[in-house]
Amino acid sequence: GAVVSQHPSRVICKSGTSVKIECRSLDFQATTMFWYRQFPKQSLMLMATSNEGSKATYEQGVEKDKFLINHASLTLSTLTVTSAHPEDSSFYICSARHQGTQYFGPGTRLLVL
Amino acid sequence: ELKVEQNPLFLSMQEGKNYTIYCNYSTTSDRLYWYRQDPGKSLESLFVLLSNGAVKQEGRLMASLDTKARLSTLHITAAVHDLSATYFCAVGGGTSYGKLTFGQGTILTVHP
Repeated sequence: GAVVSQHPSRVICKSGTSVKIECRSLDFQATTMFWYRQFPKQSLMLMATSNEGSKATYEQGVEKDKFLINHASLTLSTLTVTSAHPEDSSFYICSARHQGTQYFGPGTRLLVL
Repeated sequence: ELKVEQNPLFLSMQEGKNYTIYCNYSTTSDRLYWYRQDPGKSLESLFVLLSNGAVKQEGRLMASLDTKARLSTLHITAAVHDLSATYFCAVGGGTSYGKLTFGQGTILTVHP
């Protein structure tokens, strides 16, 4: 099956710093990728849709200036959490659709101190 | 706004027993997914259901879809400890290509 990777798998940062998370489709091209956030013991919530070569589409309530998304190639989307705060601590998961199935990355656990 | 509701949210089972997890959704959709998530891990795809009456089985798990009732079920047969995990259903497709709306998740614990 198709593989989606994420890097890093976990990151700890200080409050006020920015963190970049990469999402790659390893064996297929993805013009669209999706970014989800999952708080402990909760479900996944869609944050934004990343579109190759154009602006991302953000879900209601998600600050686009805080969560910067760049989809510069058909296999790479990045999510940058700017000026991170402790409340941004969460599990961030990306996904991409390939041949009718959604494939999820392994996730990135972010802890903001 | 699409809403997806699962029940039960918590399920404690004995090994060898059968049980069903239900997933209701509020608007029509062209596909329904079931995922498994182990603690600290990402999602593992279990089933994709595409049409009314679709039934898929893998091992002790069987999923079905009734698009008229907007209901999917995940049936567990003769549960074993290895099935302990959180199970999510998700609905997507249509004009929201690739976007998924998830249910709350069902935490399944299988006891010896």
